[in-house]
Amino acid sequence: GESVGLHLPTLSVQEGDNSIINCAYSNSASDYFIWYKQESGKGPQFIIDIRSNMDKRQGQRVTVLLNKTVKHLSLQIAATQPGDSAVYFCAVPSNSGNTPLVFGKGTRLSVIA
Amino acid sequence: ETGVTQTPRHLVMGMTNKKSLKCEQHLGHNAMYWYKQSAKKPLELMFVYNFKEQTENNSVPSRFSPECPNSSHLFLHLHTLQPEDSALYLCASSQDQGQNEKLFFGSGTQLSVL
Repeated sequence: GESVGLHLPTLSVQEGDNSIINCAYSNSASDYFIWYKQESGKGPQFIIDIRSNMDKRQGQRVTVLLNKTVKHLSLQIAATQPGDSAVYFCAVPSNSGNTPLVFGKGTRLSVIA
Repeated sequence: ETGVTQTPRHLVMGMTNKKSLKCEQHLGHNAMYWYKQSAKKPLELMFVYNFKEQTENNSVPSRFSPECPNSSHLFLHLHTLQPEDSALYLCASSQDQGQNEKLFFGSGTQLSVL
């Protein structure tokens, strides 16, 4: 089945700097990708998504980059703030029919004030 | 708020207890899910319901028993759990069931089995 891996389980960033969180996926046919943010005591919250016909999509302070050639996905957070401290998950479609998204293990982002 | 509400937020139970987790979604979605989240593991899909019918059981032990009386409500009945079942149990919903559906999660129930 589809598998999703994250490059780093933890990331520490100085407040105000940019953060980059990376994700790799295995299925070259994957056509939809989502980033979720999970704060302590909460469930994962949708941040941004991208379809495979795009290689970049921007939101408010966040940008997702998709490199289909190497099956790599990244989330960039500009001017990181303390409120950005959370665990970030990438999710990709499963290989099988109606089964929902497959999630990576997550990267814990810590913002140093 | 995501529109998905879970109760209770925290639950401590002994191995011989019976308890139930409740999930309610106010989004008009047709599909609902139970996930288990353990430390240092990816989210594990447990059950999927689409239009009240169970469509996926991801080899979950029978001590977990889901119930979906309608498209807005989902329960997870627990009995004779083991300490290794301690985890965060997350409910999610999506407009329809499918690979490319965006999931909306509740805040979860943090379960501790003693």
